[in-house]
Amino acid sequence: KAGVTQTPRYLIKTRGQQVTLSCSPISGHRSVSWYQQTPGQGLQFLFEYFSETQRNKGNFPGRFSGRQFSNSRSEMNVSTLELGDSALYLCASSLAQGAPDTGELFFGEGSRLTVL
Amino acid sequence: GQQVMQIPQYQHVQEGEDFTTYCNSSTTLSNIQWYKQRPGGHPVFLIQLVKSGEVKKQKRLTFQFGEAKKNSSLHITATQTTDVGTYFCAGRYAYSGAGSYQLTFGKGTKLSVIP
Repeated sequence: KAGVTQTPRYLIKTRGQQVTLSCSPISGHRSVSWYQQTPGQGLQFLFEYFSETQRNKGNFPGRFSGRQFSNSRSEMNVSTLELGDSALYLCASSLAQGAPDTGELFFGEGSRLTVL
Repeated sequence: GQQVMQIPQYQHVQEGEDFTTYCNSSTTLSNIQWYKQRPGGHPVFLIQLVKSGEVKKQKRLTFQFGEAKKNSSLHITATQTTDVGTYFCAGRYAYSGAGSYQLTFGKGTKLSVIP
């Protein structure tokens, strides 16, 4: 069974540019969550999607957005990049059957973004 | 907002010594999960605790969930070099709307093991 796939793995952008990251969840998983990981702040929740709907959103500015497609694949977009956006962006999928959600998260390898 | 505090931030131990990391929340958790991230890797699920006072063991690892469901700990007995990595707790709070229970990660404890 294939794991969570994130692309691209590494990318370098300059301030003011925008970036789109992609995540393909494990087959059958309907929930996709995105996290930003930095050395000082740990894992910070960005948003979660379930069946193409954003169910939860973390405390990030509107420059961070995402979406989920009918095949559960998800993308996140960061516009007007700032130096502080340099981080590892992790995508995680879960089965999320029913409520309450108690499923474990399966993380991808992450997309490492460097903003110059 | 809801926060999960995790201590210590770093821990250096001699191989064979024990290690413990603690997580604490100011509000009651629905459940708590633990993840391990090896250097250069991604977080990998270790275990989930749901019941008040629950204790689970995985070989040398012992996980506890407090009676009030506000704190948790991970204890590793006789550490090995393969235990190196960052250990994260992740607490799930009560219903946050739209059918989802938000998962909040602690900042992690980075474990170094000196051979």
